[in-house]
Amino acid sequence: GESVGLHLPTLSVQEGDNSIINCAYSNSASDYFIWYKQESGKGPQFIIDIRSNMDKRQGQRVTVLLNKTVKHLSLQIAATQPGDSAVYFCAENGMNYGGSQGNLIFGKGTKLSVKP
Amino acid sequence: DTGVSQDPRHKITKRGQNVTFRCDPISEHNRLYWYRQTLGQGPEFLTYFQNEAQLEKSRLLSDRFSAERPKGSFSTLEIQRTEQGDSAMYLCASSPSNQGGEKLFFGSGTQLSVL
Repeated sequence: GESVGLHLPTLSVQEGDNSIINCAYSNSASDYFIWYKQESGKGPQFIIDIRSNMDKRQGQRVTVLLNKTVKHLSLQIAATQPGDSAVYFCAENGMNYGGSQGNLIFGKGTKLSVKP
Repeated sequence: DTGVSQDPRHKITKRGQNVTFRCDPISEHNRLYWYRQTLGQGPEFLTYFQNEAQLEKSRLLSDRFSAERPKGSFSTLEIQRTEQGDSAMYLCASSPSNQGGEKLFFGSGTQLSVL
């Protein structure tokens, strides 16, 4: 069953502010997590990933934080821009559920709206 | 454009008809995946190929669904005797086998509407 979920279905932020999107997972054995951005009518686009041997990973304007103690990860977007408006999904590797490496288990997504 | 390509982008069909979708992965990727996404939900795994071998199938993939990757390059997903519940976005993704395999690159999908 689905183990990855999100705390908030929608998030509205002002342009220039920082955004934080949260995600919870239930399998303590999960060792790989990935964030995707999906714009309307398009497929998911890779943003950033993190393995369980790390607590934090930074990309360009994005940071992923992993808290294994409470089984929670978050995506932080700095200086949010209108082009960041999309649905954001977290996903975990399904290998710990008996699947293959590419069998990603997705959460339901958070819709980010950026107000100009 | 060297990304994952899917065709058609949209398909409208009547219940009971057969449909076939095509996916062309990124050329150097030997892993190919099919996912299904319904409105408001995250993508759900359907099946996975390593080269031409189909290595994993989800329970979601009923016997009306069949996927092939005959030469280890492009793949097709066929749905026979379509039902209204098959209406969804069908996403294809690919990944190389030399970087962990979990970082999937998705195409733009085929939106299927079954009337």
